[in-house]
This record gives sequence, structure tokens and C-alpha cells, in this order.
Amino acid sequence: EAAVTQSPRNKVAVTGGKVTLSCNQTNNHNNMYWYRQDTGHGLRLIHYSYGAGSTEKGDIPDGYKASRPSQENFSLILELATPSQTSVYFCASGTTGAETLYFGSGTRLTVL
Amino acid sequence: AQKVTQTQTSISVMEKTTVTMDCVYETQDSSYFLFWYKQTASGEIVFLIRQDSYKKENATVGHYSLNFQKPKSSIGLIITATQIEDSAVYFCAMMRGSSGNKLIFGIGTLLSVKP
Repeated sequence: EAAVTQSPRNKVAVTGGKVTLSCNQTNNHNNMYWYRQDTGHGLRLIHYSYGAGSTEKGDIPDGYKASRPSQENFSLILELATPSQTSVYFCASGTTGAETLYFGSGTRLTVL
Repeated sequence: AQKVTQTQTSISVMEKTTVTMDCVYETQDSSYFLFWYKQTASGEIVFLIRQDSYKKENATVGHYSLNFQKPKSSIGLIITATQIEDSAVYFCAMMRGSSGNKLIFGIGTLLSVKP
């Protein structure tokens, strides 16, 4: 069974603070993704990666950075968090090719 | 530009009936892939079913099936014999044939199945 684990599950941050969301996958998938989910918008792609050391911008990358230090780990970094980044964030992994993605359980981030 | 549109915000049905959820998409690609995902009340997102654009046969998995109408850029999800546990948000998504596996999602349809 594919396994994608996100931490933390919930996070409260202050405006201007730095936030790091972590994702670990044990699927040995090359590709990993960060999405955010907001009412009325569905899931929108922030950053993605094709393998260790690579990161690519998704559809809404502004205000976010990503890091892929290894095959298993993919982090999303908010250097200067803003209230507009309050959302639920999902990490996913997938193989090369048109196969389905496997999602983590999500991280609920609140920026006050 | 790629786009996925789900116009039904919410649907309510009685248990054991059949429900269809609509989805239309926009793409310039000749090859693409269409997916439906389910998000449960706990927030978990799971893959349900997939349709490859070059396949004429509608995909079927368990009590989920698709109504793929390529000329209309439409991919409806049909759930037969609905159960209470089918209550969830359903997302339609599209992947381009050469997009690096990036999924573009619709905004979702909330399905409520009542006893």
C-alpha cells in the first residue's frame, strides 16, 4: 500500500514567521507534489519535483519554496507566512507515466 | 489552457439510487488522462477511476463507472446503488499526456447519500 505521510497535521503560525511543512513517501516514487485546498478552488498545484534535488514551480508558487533533499522527502517552505496562506496542504507522490497520485492526509495551516 | 469544471456544487440522493456527477474539461492536447478522486470526511483523498483519452470504452470499477463523451469534452462519474459511505466530495482531474504527471483539479462536488 502506497504511503505518504505529512507532518505536522495541524499548524498555527504567526504572520511573518517561517513555516516548513514536511512530506515523506515510502513508495519509491520519483515525483512528488504540493497542493493547497481552498473552498471554491479545489486543489491547486504549488510546487512539484521529479526527483531528489529537483523542484519545479506549479500553478501558484508565489510565496512558497520547495526542497527535495532525497527521494523520500519533499518539504514546502513559507519564508514569510501571510494570512492568505491559511489553507489545507496536501502532499502527493506518483510514478513517471500517467498513473494516479497518492495523497497524504493533509496539513491544516492557520496563519494569524 | 487546461481547465476542469464541475458545475454541481452539491448533490443529495437517497441510498441505493444512481447518481451522476458532471465534469467538463478544456485541453488542446490530443492525449490526456481523466481521473476521479474521492475526499472523505476525514480529509483523505483516494483515487477512484481513470479514463485514457484514446480509449473509447468507458471505464468501470466496482460500482463506479464513467460516461466519457470526448466530442463534448465531458467525463461524468456514475455511482450505482449508492451507499451512505459514498457521501464525500468528488473531484474530477485531468493530466496532460506530457505534463510530468501534473493533475489539474475541478472544485469538487459534495455528494450526500441519505438513508
